[in-house]
Amino acid sequence: GENVEQHPSTLSVQEGDSAVIKCTYSDSASNYFPWYKQELGKGPQLIIDIRSNVGEKKDQRIAVTLNKTAKHFSLHITETQPEDSAVYFCATQSHYKLSFGAGTTVTVRA
Amino acid sequence: ETGVTQTPRHLVMGMTNKKSLKCEQHLGHNAMYWYKQSAKKPLELMFVYNFKEQTENNSVPSRFSPECPNSSHLFLHLHTLQPEDSALYLCASSQGTLAGGPRWTDTQYFGPGTRLTVL
Repeated sequence: GENVEQHPSTLSVQEGDSAVIKCTYSDSASNYFPWYKQELGKGPQLIIDIRSNVGEKKDQRIAVTLNKTAKHFSLHITETQPEDSAVYFCATQSHYKLSFGAGTTVTVRA
Repeated sequence: ETGVTQTPRHLVMGMTNKKSLKCEQHLGHNAMYWYKQSAKKPLELMFVYNFKEQTENNSVPSRFSPECPNSSHLFLHLHTLQPEDSALYLCASSQGTLAGGPRWTDTQYFGPGTRLTVL
């Protein structure tokens, strides 16, 4: 099956700074790359996604980049705020199967 | 209710008990999923249903038995579980298609999960 590696596993940033999470994958058939945010006591919520025919996508303070040749994609959060503190998961989707990274716990220090 | 709901939110059961987890989606979707989320491990896909038909069983032990009576409801029946089955069980749904199962472009929407503890 698909192997998705996510780094770092924990990330602490000062409020207002940027946060970057990186993921690599192995299945070249993967065509859809969502990012989920999971807050305590809640299920994962989709925050942004990118499809294989797009290299970059931005939504306000969140951006995702994709390099299909190198099989890696990244999440960038700018101007971090305390409410950005959560666990972030990258995922790849081949057909209908989502394969998740192990997650990054992001803590935004006030 | 909106989105994907799950009940109960918390469940403690003994190894000899029988219990069921319930998931309901209010998004008009036709594909539903069960995932297991254990500490420090990636989410693991367990089962997939598309238009009430099971399309995926990811080598899940038979002590977990899914049921999908219609496209809006999904159950996970539990019996003779082991302590290592303690985890957060997440339900998700996506649009789905009649031909060939959910599309690869489908976004999956998750419920809040059931925190299961097996004693």
